[in-house]
Amino acid sequence: AQKITQTQPGMFVQEKEAVTLDCTYDTSDQSYGLFWYKQPSSGEMIFLIYQGSYDEQNATEGRYSLNFQKARKSANLVISASQLGDSAMYFCAMREGSYGGSQGNLIFGKGTKLSVKP
Amino acid sequence: DTAVSQTPKYLVTQMGNDKSIKCEQNLGHDTMYWYKQDSKKFLKIMFSYNNKELIINETVPNRFSPKSPDKAHLNLHINSLELGDSAVYFCASSQDSGWYSGYTFGSGTRLTVV
Repeated sequence: AQKITQTQPGMFVQEKEAVTLDCTYDTSDQSYGLFWYKQPSSGEMIFLIYQGSYDEQNATEGRYSLNFQKARKSANLVISASQLGDSAMYFCAMREGSYGGSQGNLIFGKGTKLSVKP
Repeated sequence: DTAVSQTPKYLVTQMGNDKSIKCEQNLGHDTMYWYKQDSKKFLKIMFSYNNKELIINETVPNRFSPKSPDKAHLNLHINSLELGDSAVYFCASSQDSGWYSGYTFGSGTRLTVV
């Protein structure tokens, strides 16, 4: 079963509007971290935002915020005031608290390709 | 100063060859990783390594082997390259193995096997 599900393969948003990228996750651990990364066409992986499972407040970093709904196991990324430079692939990822073997490593969703229209 | 650096950025080679990709981090992190990103952009863990333990994803062919001369370096050696090995390979590091610890990625190496 997929640990991280991103149901939107591609999305379009008008410049200056807000956009929400969906992410749901599956874990039985109480301790886990949720991460969002951006991959522009140049290929590098850029860390955007982090949410810990025990954090009561939603994480925010500039124009990025994470809508964390623990009971629903969702961690959606909200980008406010979209800019042309936001056009990229966006990956949701999770690290679980039980490490050893393959657990504890960062596991990625399949990504959402965001295109910002002028 | 680049935090996680990989070389080369591009690598084109023939089937059957042996090649290496180098990775260095100057962040003082304890744990390093190799990921493979396929043509559909899916990122999959290949190895994780700290100075105590190498953990290998069981789906990785044994033609792939990580080599770590010290804590700041984790190189990837690939023997008998196959067409299906064509992908982008990312090196990454994290401060430790904790679930709260994010990764810093290198800029990737695009490997093309012809």
